[in-house]
Amino acid sequence: GQNIDQPTEMTATEGAIVQINCTYQTSGFNGLFWYQQHAGEAPTFLSYNVLDGLEEKGRFSSFLSRSKGYSYLLLKELQMKDSASYLCAPRGLTGGGNKLTFGTGTQLKVEL
Amino acid sequence: DVKVTQSSRYLVKRTGEKVFLECVQDMDHENMFWYRQDPGLGLRLIYFSYDVKMKEKGDIPEGYSVSREKKERFSLILESASTNQTSMYLCASSLSVRGRETQYFGPGTRLLVL
Repeated sequence: GQNIDQPTEMTATEGAIVQINCTYQTSGFNGLFWYQQHAGEAPTFLSYNVLDGLEEKGRFSSFLSRSKGYSYLLLKELQMKDSASYLCAPRGLTGGGNKLTFGTGTQLKVEL
Repeated sequence: DVKVTQSSRYLVKRTGEKVFLECVQDMDHENMFWYRQDPGLGLRLIYFSYDVKMKEKGDIPEGYSVSREKKERFSLILESASTNQTSMYLCASSLSVRGRETQYFGPGTRLLVL
């Protein structure tokens, strides 16, 4: 089966940096996704990691360590609009290798 | 831009009714998915489909069925709606390119079963 653990809530200040951690256990491993979801809206794709290391995309970066079953999402220069839920989603090798399992999400609140 | 649309944003139905949730994508994606999202439980996969007329059970298929008669359309059916099926339903589609596949979500349908 698959097990995903990420903090339920985090609070940070506008302009600061925040790191959202995710640990996972999967039946095989075929990549990890991070999605952002604003309240009442659909999740939107942020990043994808399949090899170890850091992937940077503007203010957002995502890190993966496959041996540790660990990923984090790093948000820099926080803005109020970054207040949202951030979903960690590893992809296992069941279901044809296309099946994502989503964590319950980390609700990030950005304050002034 | 990928566009995934769902037939309704909000829906209210009565217990025992048959409910159809429609999802359409305009990017010729092979794969389509239906999830439900509940507080504290996150997104859970109900059914998915890799091709027309093809379907596979996800993690929580009980009480649901699906139909994929055309590539662009994936329907979720609640044969006899129950109150525990009150939830946010999200459809997604994806295309596999060189082993990488990103799922794109529709806006969601918030279903209330009375």
